[in-house]
Amino acid sequence: ETGVTQSPTHLIKTRGQQVTLRCSSQSGHNTVSWYQQALGQGPQFIFQYYREEENGRGNFPPRFSGLQFPNYSSELNVNALELDDSALYLCASSRQGLVDNEQFFGPGTRLTVL
Amino acid sequence: GDSVTQMEGPVTLSEEAFLTINCTYTATGYPSLFWYVQYPGEGLQLLLKATKADDKGSNKGFEATYRKETTSFHLEKGSVQVSDSAVYFCALSESRDDKIIFGKGTRLHILP
Repeated sequence: ETGVTQSPTHLIKTRGQQVTLRCSSQSGHNTVSWYQQALGQGPQFIFQYYREEENGRGNFPPRFSGLQFPNYSSELNVNALELDDSALYLCASSRQGLVDNEQFFGPGTRLTVL
Repeated sequence: GDSVTQMEGPVTLSEEAFLTINCTYTATGYPSLFWYVQYPGEGLQLLLKATKADDKGSNKGFEATYRKETTSFHLEKGSVQVSDSAVYFCALSESRDDKIIFGKGTRLHILP
């Protein structure tokens, strides 16, 4: 069983640029959630995708957007990057409808904005 | 809104010492409670969970009991090992398919 994978591992961008992060969900999972983890902080929920639709959103501006594809993989896009966007971005996959619906996390993408 | 508060770190202990990491929560409903662990260079792993009051979650020698009356979910281990060195996050989720709300994390260092 393949776990959650994310790419790239590390990324360096400059202010104002745009970035796309990718996540492949675990086999059998249909839901992907994205979290932002700033240095020294706990992860914060960005949004969740289920059946290719946004299914809940945290307190993040519209320049954070996402997609989910028919194979349940997902992308996180961030436009007009700001210095404060520097963080570890985690995705988690799960399967909605299960009694024991655990979210499994990927290793993350470390984004640095200069 | 919902929130999780956990003790500040870092926490430094000697091997075989007793560990407690305090966690309290604020929630409007009856959330599920979790402890996640993040080892250096790795993603988050679920350590244990409890879904209703008085439930005890346990794994790898760690335990935590869901205390509704004190809104707490303290993590304990009777004898820590060097390999337990990591960052520990207390977290909650209001429903099975809902977002997870995390505390700020507690870094644990175990000295040999």
